[in-house]
Amino acid sequence: AIQMTQSPSSLSASVGDRVTITCRASQGIRNNLTWYQQKPGKAPKLLIYAASSLQSGVPSRFSGSGSGTDFTLTISSLQPEDFATYYCLQEYDYPLTFGGGTKVEIK
Amino acid sequence: EVQLVESGGGLVQPGGSLRLSCAASGFTFGRYWMSWVRQAPGKGLEWVANIKEDGSEEHYVDSVKGRFTISRDDAKKSLFLQMKSLRAEDTAVYYCARDLRYCSGGDCYSVFDYWGQGTLVTVSS
Repeated sequence: AIQMTQSPSSLSASVGDRVTITCRASQGIRNNLTWYQQKPGKAPKLLIYAASSLQSGVPSRFSGSGSGTDFTLTISSLQPEDFATYYCLQEYDYPLTFGGGTKVEIK
Repeated sequence: EVQLVESGGGLVQPGGSLRLSCAASGFTFGRYWMSWVRQAPGKGLEWVANIKEDGSEEHYVDSVKGRFTISRDDAKKSLFLQMKSLRAEDTAVYYCARDLRYCSGGDCYSVFDYWGQGTLVTVSS
């Protein structure tokens, strides 16, 4: 199975900060990567698909980049509603696999 | 409005069985792949299984192969997950998700664009 390694596992940031989360695949996955945001007690929400395409309705401060094995989710200016856990998911091959998650907390 | 509503979760003893359901509305159910994703308490997300639009293809994570079966009833706009030989490590919130497939420039992608609210399965004696 393709392993997805997310880093950091958690981070503390302030409103207005630029935040970067990385996801590394154990083998090349082209750009078959999606990013999800999850708030406590809620279902995940799709943010980015095909590594860099913004899902409709998602604020433009979210962006994704990368291809092959290394991917990045960037929040350009962190807002109060962005404090959550973020997951990457590779859908290049079965079994589909998620990264371990990155919890973004308030500093 | 797209809605996915899971049901069927509960407390079950190790070795027992449970059948989860996911009722879909607001979209043409029979045109989409569907997936189950689970989350153990305090842990990350784990994809469990998916099924093709016409039910002709299924995929599973290794840890549930031979114990879980995904199925669908397009007439009833419902997705199911039959779980047998349950173990403590199957304890989780189970989400159903619409598995949108699309192709662009010769490359194809799978996107979980809508999720249910989840149903909790607890395996314990």
